[in-house]
Amino acid sequence: SQTIHQWPATLVQPVGSPLSLECTVEGTSNPNLYWYRQAAGRGLQLLFYSVGIGQISSEVPQNLSASRPQDRQFILSSKKLLLSDSGFYLCAWINTGTGVAEAFFGQGTRLTVV
Amino acid sequence: RKEVEQDPGPFNVPEGATVAFNCTYSNSASQSFFWYRQDCRKEPKLLMSVYSSGNEDGRFTAQLNRASQYISLLIRDSKLSDSATYLCVVPSGGSYIPTFGRGTSLIVHP
Repeated sequence: SQTIHQWPATLVQPVGSPLSLECTVEGTSNPNLYWYRQAAGRGLQLLFYSVGIGQISSEVPQNLSASRPQDRQFILSSKKLLLSDSGFYLCAWINTGTGVAEAFFGQGTRLTVV
Repeated sequence: RKEVEQDPGPFNVPEGATVAFNCTYSNSASQSFFWYRQDCRKEPKLLMSVYSSGNEDGRFTAQLNRASQYISLLIRDSKLSDSATYLCVVPSGGSYIPTFGRGTSLIVHP
């Protein structure tokens, strides 16, 4: 069965510090991968998505970046965090090979920038 | 018009009540639709998929109206454990980009 792992679960970082969140998927190959952010009391905002290794599409220009160094690994990074980067970060995957567009989420990382 | 719109609620209902949420979408080419449930401080989890006119799973019924471009979720015999935020999702584009509504909050009270 397919599983998705995301870590860390909770993170408190000072303004100006770097960020690296990692997401890995098991039990599938060539998934579409997505990074979302959910601010407190708000909806899910798509940040990046990837349809293959090294292929990254950005939805929201900001101080975040994403990389996909391996087929089932998706990384969200920042060189210098801002207070506004605080939120709940969610990684998701879709197995497009089945023709079904159901997305499955990791457990999320709650980031607080102080 | 936003791509996916939902009434944020909250819907405050007693146990045993029937409650319905609506979701409208703007992309008329969308072929699949989903309802997710999100508990407080947790990740969204798939509740139901809708590919044709509707889907039923126990107390939950999802219906699709393509002409009017809306999806509904009906919950019968509400339980306290149904309290959560319900997210409407419409994948768009060739890359299956899940577009989320802001969610509808449901509170079921004794």
